Amino acid sequence: KAGVTQTPRYLIKTRGQQVTLSCSPISGHRSVSWYQQTPGQGLQFLFEYFSETQRNKGNFPGRFSGRQFSNSRSEMNVSTLELGDSALYLCASRRFSGDSSSYEQYFGPGTRLTVT
Amino acid sequence: AQSVTQLDSHVSVSEGTPVLLRCNYSSSYSPSLFWYVQHPNKGLQLLLKYTSAATLVKGINGFEAEFKKSETSFHLTKPSAHMSDAAEYFCVVSEGGSNYKLTFGKGTLLTVNP
Repeated sequence: KAGVTQTPRYLIKTRGQQVTLSCSPISGHRSVSWYQQTPGQGLQFLFEYFSETQRNKGNFPGRFSGRQFSNSRSEMNVSTLELGDSALYLCASRRFSGDSSSYEQYFGPGTRLTVT
Repeated sequence: AQSVTQLDSHVSVSEGTPVLLRCNYSSSYSPSLFWYVQHPNKGLQLLLKYTSAATLVKGINGFEAEFKKSETSFHLTKPSAHMSDAAEYFCVVSEGGSNYKLTFGKGTLLTVNP
C-alpha cells in the first residue's frame, strides 16, 4: 500500500507570496492533518480535515488555510508569506473508524518551504 | 489540556548498550500515547502506540515502552542500540474524541557512538 505523498518536496518563495502544498493520504484513510515543524517551535498542529470539513484547528493565523477534496486529498495554503513561515510542513493521514485504532497517524515525507 | 515533556533533549549511547528515552505526559482523559522516530530529512515513522490495552508495548526495531499511569510516564527503551537507531524521537499524546489532535514533545536526539 502506498504511503502518504506530498508535493512538492521543496519550495523557495519570497516574502508576500502565497503557496499551496498538496497531500495524498494512504488509500482508505479519510482524515488528513497538517503540521508545521521548525527548530524553535518543534512540531505544531495546524488543522485536520475529514469529509471535506475542517474538524480541528491549531493556533495559527488565518493566513494558513486548507481544504480537502472528495477523494480525501488535501491542500494547504499559506498567504502573504513571512520569513517565519520557513519550515517543514508535514501531512499525516489516518483511518476514521471511531475507535482507538484510528488514532495513529501516518506521515508523509514533508514539504520543505523556504521563504526569502 | 494535554501536554508532553521529553526529559532529555539529547541522549548519547554506545553501540550495543541500552537506550532509555524518557517521556512524561499530562492528559485530562485516558490518553493514547505514541513514539515516533524521524531520521534526517525524512518524515515521521510510528514506532509504537499505547491505546489502553497492555501497558507494556512492543514496537518495531526492538523498541518497547511501558505506560505507567501512576507516574504519568511512557519511557522508550531498547536493550541494545544500533548505529541505525541514531535519529530524533518524539513522544506524542492524543486524547482522541471529537477534539482529536496529536501533541508532540520537543524531541530527543539519540546519538549512537561506535
